[in-house]
Amino acid sequence: QKEVEQNSGPLSVPEGAIASLNCTYSDRVSQSFFWYRQYSGKSPELIMSIYSNGDKEDGRFTAQLNKASQYVSLLIRDSQPSDSATYLCAVNSGGTASKLTFGTGTRLQVTL
Amino acid sequence: EAGVAQSPRYKIIEKRQSVAFWCNPISGHATLYWYQQILGQGPKLLIQFQNNGVVDDSQLPKDRFSAERLKGVDSTLKIQPAKLEDSAVYLCASSSSSGVSTDTQYFGPGTRLTVL
Repeated sequence: QKEVEQNSGPLSVPEGAIASLNCTYSDRVSQSFFWYRQYSGKSPELIMSIYSNGDKEDGRFTAQLNKASQYVSLLIRDSQPSDSATYLCAVNSGGTASKLTFGTGTRLQVTL
Repeated sequence: EAGVAQSPRYKIIEKRQSVAFWCNPISGHATLYWYQQILGQGPKLLIQFQNNGVVDDSQLPKDRFSAERLKGVDSTLKIQPAKLEDSAVYLCASSSSSGVSTDTQYFGPGTRLTVL
């Protein structure tokens, strides 16, 4: 069973702080990794994808990948109340084909 | 560009009844996915279509769930008969390429099913 593990939270951070969300995965051959944001009652929305070891930055978001440690993280700088949502880590477990396995998500709360 | 469309948005049925969900992917997207998301969990893939062919249905409970994608565009997911544990949000997603690992999947609004 290929697994993706996330801490369910809630992770509470004050406005303006950095939120750090973590994800580990079990399938060593996974090549593609995605972070989705899901507001309550809404569908998942892609915010970052990463395929190579290291960091990838997009605005206030930075994804970090360490394949040797089977670890993916998402940093949100200058957190805003609008960032309050559940963040789903998704790992492609289908080799070259697209087959996403999702974690259970981490609920982030940004407080005023 | 219009997003993934799903209907209905909400459905309440009693156990042992049947139900069907409809999905229209983003125009031109060849790959279509159906996911089940139980409250507090991440989405779980039920079935993946490439055009009108099934690529992966390994997690589809085939004794009660069925899906089709006629003409490689719209898709329908059916449950017959429904069980209490089928209460979940059913998400449809689509992607533009050939279902390769770097594809971005775009999700529809989902159908929230409650089985009483």
